[in-house]
Amino acid sequence: GEQVEQLPSSLIVQEGASVLINCSYTDSASVYFPWYKQEPGKRLQFIIDIRSNMERKQTQRLTLLFDKKTKHLSLHITATQPGDSAIYFCSASIYNQGKLIFGQGTKLSIKP
Amino acid sequence: NAGVIQTPRHKVTGKGQEATLWCEPISGHSAVFWYRQTIVQGLEFLTYFRNQAPIDDSGMPKERFSAQMPNQSHSTLKIQSTQPQDSAVYLCASSLALGSSYEQYFGPGTRLTVL
Repeated sequence: GEQVEQLPSSLIVQEGASVLINCSYTDSASVYFPWYKQEPGKRLQFIIDIRSNMERKQTQRLTLLFDKKTKHLSLHITATQPGDSAIYFCSASIYNQGKLIFGQGTKLSIKP
Repeated sequence: NAGVIQTPRHKVTGKGQEATLWCEPISGHSAVFWYRQTIVQGLEFLTYFRNQAPIDDSGMPKERFSAQMPNQSHSTLKIQSTQPQDSAVYLCASSLALGSSYEQYFGPGTRLTVL
């Protein structure tokens, strides 16, 4: 079945810096890739997604890049703020199956 | 809008006891998912329903786990004869429909501790 790997597992950066989180998947049938953020004690929150017919998606300070050939995604967060401190999860879904397969998460800590 | 509601938020059971977890999806959402989150295994898919019908339970541990959706306003996950390895946060999510256009909204989770 599908496997999703995420790197790095943790990241500590100074406020204002940019960060890059990498994600790779194994099943070429996966077509939808939502990312979620989990702050301490809070529920998983959707932040951005991309479909396999796209190469790039951007919302505010987030840019998500997708390479179908290498089965690789990368999430770029610019101008980080203390509120960005959270665990970020990459996930993959096969069309119409709905279920999400998650990566292990990247714990991002922003130092003020 | 309270979002997806899960009850109880915390549950402690003794080994061998039964645990029932409840989920109320967002009104109007036709798909309901259950996931489990642990430090070691991360986020794992368990099962999901569409229009109350079970579609895929490939992630459910066999024999002791069962899930139902008796009506469109709630789903239950039942664990019989709980074991310490069942300790986890159980997450429920709902989406408007199935397919790659529909975001899944997650509940706050039920933290199950099996002593």
